[in-house]
Amino acid sequence: SQQGEEDPQALSIQEGENATMNCSYKTSINNLQWYRQNSGRGLVHLILIRSNEREKHSGRLRVTLDTSKKSSSLLITASRAADTASYFCATPPGAGSYQLTFGKGTKLSVIP
Amino acid sequence: ETGVTQTPRHLVMGMTNKKSLKCEQHLGHNAMYWYKQSAKKPLELMFVYNFKEQTENNSVPSRFSPECPNSSHLFLHLHTLQPEDSALYLCASSQGWDRGYGYTFGSGTRLTVV
Repeated sequence: SQQGEEDPQALSIQEGENATMNCSYKTSINNLQWYRQNSGRGLVHLILIRSNEREKHSGRLRVTLDTSKKSSSLLITASRAADTASYFCATPPGAGSYQLTFGKGTKLSVIP
Repeated sequence: ETGVTQTPRHLVMGMTNKKSLKCEQHLGHNAMYWYKQSAKKPLELMFVYNFKEQTENNSVPSRFSPECPNSSHLFLHLHTLQPEDSALYLCASSQGWDRGYGYTFGSGTRLTVV
């Protein structure tokens, strides 16, 4: 069953602007992960944030996690045309589980 | 290259054909997965193998048959598929959810059933 749900479904911004994507999930989690997928390709793991963390950075990426609201956000700062892709959040459904369930993703278009 | 290699990249097959998708990883991961990605749908987990043992089969039709001969190789055998099985099939591997590395995906096989 689908656990994470991204919002918005599509986002179009100018190069240099910041892009924010949100993810809501239903049950308690141990960690939440964000992935990027370029058109027709495999997914690339971007960042993992654990349930006891509130914020994490990786280069131009900033992820926040609010377990009380069961939500996470991914911020891409100073976007580039190469950031054009679909972005997915993913959560394992339970402790010790190897499974990840994905949402439908946010399709980000960065216009040069 | 991600370290997970999928072949072939593209496959067109008739409904009466039998074909196989191959996935290979040399990352030392002990779990491997098959996902199906159809247009406008979330990724669907099909099968999970942990240390070569199948641990999950998410109600996948029997026309899809997985095989994991060792922890580095994973196959998906296909037979008598339907046009609605056309999709991007993604293989992934992981060391474990609690290691902080996430999943490593291959580039996928684009399957078209005619």
